[in-house]
Amino acid sequence: KNQVEQSPQSLIILEGKNCTLQCNYTVSPFSNLRWYKQDTGRGPVSLTIMTFSENTKSNGRYTATLDADTKQSSLHITASQLSDSASYICVVRGFSGGYNKLIFGAGTRLAVHP
Amino acid sequence: DGGITQSPKYLFRKEGQNVTLSCEQNLNHDAMYWYRQDPGQGLRLIYYSQIVNDFQKGDIAEGYSVSREKKESFPLTVTSAQKNPTAFYLCASSMEGGRGYTFGSGTRLTVV
Repeated sequence: KNQVEQSPQSLIILEGKNCTLQCNYTVSPFSNLRWYKQDTGRGPVSLTIMTFSENTKSNGRYTATLDADTKQSSLHITASQLSDSASYICVVRGFSGGYNKLIFGAGTRLAVHP
Repeated sequence: DGGITQSPKYLFRKEGQNVTLSCEQNLNHDAMYWYRQDPGQGLRLIYYSQIVNDFQKGDIAEGYSVSREKKESFPLTVTSAQKNPTAFYLCASSMEGGRGYTFGSGTRLTVV
């Protein structure tokens, strides 16, 4: 079954600290992996998109890694800010149910405290 | 500025009523999608449309209906057949092959 699992479910860190969010997937065949940031009550906003051949991609203080062999990805946030408080969603594009689709993880809810 | 607009932001529905959620995009995207988001779960695809006048059921289409009469618009109707409609609904659009995937800001539907 095509699945995307994220850990931890929720995380609390202090402002200025780093953190790493994990994503494991079983989607096959794999097309690409995306990380989104979703503020409460808003739509998700894309942070990174990685294809099979990419190991690392950065977007400011956000760095995503991908290991296509172990089907794992991580999102590292450096020097966290209060505005980083949001849900972070890992999404894998693959072929399922007869069509190409995005398969969403349940997200990690991050709270950054002062 | 190009973007995707959902309205209303909040919607209340009485038991047995149909309601329609609006989604409009000016990104010239061919494909449009509707998702449902519930707490603790990943987004689930309700319907999608890859071209005008054509749409396909997603994973949880029962109790919902859509139309795609214009490229820019993809309204979702939540019918009385949907037994648990309270959720956050997200519309998205993309170019061919999923490039440029963009989400709207969502509509929160509550049954009262």
